[in-house]
Amino acid sequence: DQQVKQNSPSLSVQEGRISILNCDYTNSMFDYFLWYKKYPAEGPTFLISISSIKDKNEDGRFTVFLNKSAKHLSLHIVPSQPGDSAVYFCAASLFGGTSYGKLTFGQGTILTVHP
Amino acid sequence: DTGVSQDPRHKITKRGQNVTFRCDPISEHNRLYWYRQTLGQGPEFLTYFQNEAQLEKSRLLSDRFSAERPKGSFSTLEIQRTEQGDSAMYLCASSLRGKADTQYFGPGTRLTVL
Repeated sequence: DQQVKQNSPSLSVQEGRISILNCDYTNSMFDYFLWYKKYPAEGPTFLISISSIKDKNEDGRFTVFLNKSAKHLSLHIVPSQPGDSAVYFCAASLFGGTSYGKLTFGQGTILTVHP
Repeated sequence: DTGVSQDPRHKITKRGQNVTFRCDPISEHNRLYWYRQTLGQGPEFLTYFQNEAQLEKSRLLSDRFSAERPKGSFSTLEIQRTEQGDSAMYLCASSLRGKADTQYFGPGTRLTVL
């Protein structure tokens, strides 16, 4: 049961343009969402997060949008840079009860930014 | 460097051998998580510690797996009688209870079982 899905395995973008990475989830109880970037042979690096009480969060070139009714979130990177090329994972967390905030990850999207 | 550290970074072992990995979380973090990642997939939750107490274990964690966090600081993950299916990246993450749970990951230990 894949509760968090990233349906695009890869995305290719020209430098300077906008990159949009998408993520869908099925569990309406998730209340905290995160994006991580991962380079080969390294652990995931935290990028940006959003609480379910918000619909947008911005941090520099990165903006995350949350549409709770559609159970959909997206990460916008603008402008995209070659150094952004990596695998991007969305993750969802559930607080309260016995969940302890463990993360449920999507399968990842490989972003390639061409110079 | 005050991030999460893991040791070793790489481990190659023969099937049937036991292996142990270590994780040192960010010093003030009281929550510690172990995840496993296989090729083409996102990390999957294995187990969670609040200080020294192991509060949750995934069904992915068979009886051959055991994790400890004896003094609420570093943690170890042991796999007994390794199998080829155990080959994966083992990731440790830590976070600070009391706020929305942003977990910070270590570099991982790559296990290869021959």
